[in-house]
Formats: sequence, C-alpha cells, structure tokens
Amino acid sequence: GAVVSQHPSRVICKSGTSVKIECRSLDFQATTMFWYRQFPKQSLMLMATSNEGSKATYEQGVEKDKFLINHASLTLSTLTVTSAHPEDSSFYICSARNRETEAFFGQGTRLTVV
Amino acid sequence: GQNIDQPTEMTATEGAIVQINCTYQTSGFNGLFWYQQHAGEAPTFLSYNVLDGLEEKGRFSSFLSRSKGYSYLLLKELQMKDSASYLCASMDSNYQLIWGAGTKLIIKP
Repeated sequence: GAVVSQHPSRVICKSGTSVKIECRSLDFQATTMFWYRQFPKQSLMLMATSNEGSKATYEQGVEKDKFLINHASLTLSTLTVTSAHPEDSSFYICSARNRETEAFFGQGTRLTVV
Repeated sequence: GQNIDQPTEMTATEGAIVQINCTYQTSGFNGLFWYQQHAGEAPTFLSYNVLDGLEEKGRFSSFLSRSKGYSYLLLKELQMKDSASYLCASMDSNYQLIWGAGTKLIIKP
C-alpha cells in the first residue's frame, strides 16, 4: 500500500505553546487528507477534512482557531495545535486519500501537554 | 442517522478462528473497511469490500452483504500478535469514513 509519514511520533509540550504535526504522502498525490483524534479506549474521531489548496472543513465541535490545518501541496498537510492545554493531550492521526476507494494512515502523533 | 455497530470485546484461543461482525447504516455507501489497531499505534488497513461476497487475504477474510448492511472479518489460525482492536468503517456518499467503536480481540494461549 501507499506510504503516509506523520511526524513527530511523540511530542511533549508546555501548556500555552503551539505544536505542529506534519503529514506527508510519500509515494502518491493526496488530494484529500483527514485529521483524526483518538481519546483513550475510544474510536477515531474525525476532526477535519482538508483538500489541497482550499480551506479545511471542520467537524462540528472542533475549534478552527485552535486546530489550524494547512494543506499547501498534494503531498503535505499540517495540523497546528495552538495554545495547547492538558486536555488537548491525545493521539492525533492523519490519513490521505489517493483515490476515492482507499485511505492510508500515518503512524500517529501522541501529544502530551504538561 | 449514521451508525456502525460491532461487539466491544471478544476472546478467542490461539490457533482457532474468530469472526468479528459489523452492521452499518450510512448515508450512501462506497465501501466497507476493516482496520487493525494495536494499542498506542495508528490503525493499519486490512481490507476493503464494495461488492457482495467474501474477499480472502491469507489468514484474514472479509465478507460484505450490502442488502443486509452487514460485514464480518474472519481471522483464522489465530496468533498472539493478532490481539488488537479491529475497527469497522463504512464510507458514505461523501467518501467520508464512518467509524465503529472497535472490537478488542483478546487471544489466549
């Protein structure tokens, strides 16, 4: 299958700082990328969908100003958690779609805000 | 509304066979996915079904019945490393994945 690289895999940051997570499709052009969040013992929750060159579409209840998503090219999308707080600590996962019938996941980023 | 149902937890014995069921109701349908997720890791793709029937891939097989809104994942010759959560997801008419809560599979020696 296609490769999606997500970086960093783990990050610890201080409360009030911002963290950027990158998601790259290494061997295909991803016209659409999805950002998910997973709370412990729960399933993935879609946060937003980003299409290359346009603004991300956020799911209800997800704060756009707090979770900034940029999809500037066909191979890169970034999620920036701004002014992070301990309750933002979670597992963040991106996935990229190269055609409508399949999606590939990054390795995930475990964010801990202290 | 959109809904995916799968059992919360299942237990099976090493070397045996286990079937994990999933029922779905989504707005439109563009396929049914199964993912495996080990604790602390991102999900990995297992299978995709869009036509009725059984798709076999080594020890894992996936079945789909569109008329019944039903799928199952069949795991044969279970190994301890198969202990994981198995996520069922339906793709709706907007090509968005609607996720089930996952089935935690516990393998005993």
